Amino acid sequence: DTGVSQDPRHKITKRGQNVTFRCDPISEHNRLYWYRQTLGQGPEFLTYFQNEAQLEKSRLLSDRFSAERPKGSFSTLEIQRTEQGDSAMYLCASSFDSHQPQHFGDGTRLSIL
Amino acid sequence: GQQLNQSPQSMFIQEGEDVSMNCTSSSIFNTWLWYKQDPGEGPVLLIALYKAGELTSNGRLTAQFGITRKDSFLNISASIPSDVGIYFCAGISNFGNEKLTFGTGTRLTIIP
Repeated sequence: DTGVSQDPRHKITKRGQNVTFRCDPISEHNRLYWYRQTLGQGPEFLTYFQNEAQLEKSRLLSDRFSAERPKGSFSTLEIQRTEQGDSAMYLCASSFDSHQPQHFGDGTRLSIL
Repeated sequence: GQQLNQSPQSMFIQEGEDVSMNCTSSSIFNTWLWYKQDPGEGPVLLIALYKAGELTSNGRLTAQFGITRKDSFLNISASIPSDVGIYFCAGISNFGNEKLTFGTGTRLTIIP
């Protein structure tokens, strides 16, 4: 399977804990995007990378959130001191370049107890 | 955050019927995309549209990029059970702005 891969698929944690998600984009895609989706809503943009450079961050991305793509391949999204409101599906997408459509992974579903 | 207006919110149809849904925005978009999402999975790309007025087909699916650049339409002909799911429109507003803005979704249910 050469699609976008996300790990873990599900994460349950207690409020206040830190969590980290990983995304492996489609090979040779230099763009990598993170979105958040809550129940009954469409995905909302969080941030994106061109290779290892983080080019845009949404206002939704509070100081507790940090994303990295150190070698321009896989990316990690970390949430520190998780809160109830962080419960959501975190989706990763990648594209070959800015003119090509984004392809999504199956997401990481985060549940905060 | 901003979401595009998608209608209808939900549809209940019989197998074999045709389906139409649309997406509107108060601002101009330069790219429109349609995705389908099944429970517990990520959105899957159906059709991408890049030019105002463009009409593109993918099997039984046909989508159009509105000439005002503020809307898009998706039609599904002769629906089958595997068409069940949530359909999202998504747009990119400006060249150089790569983030997708998604619609609120249309849930399609097929009545046996």
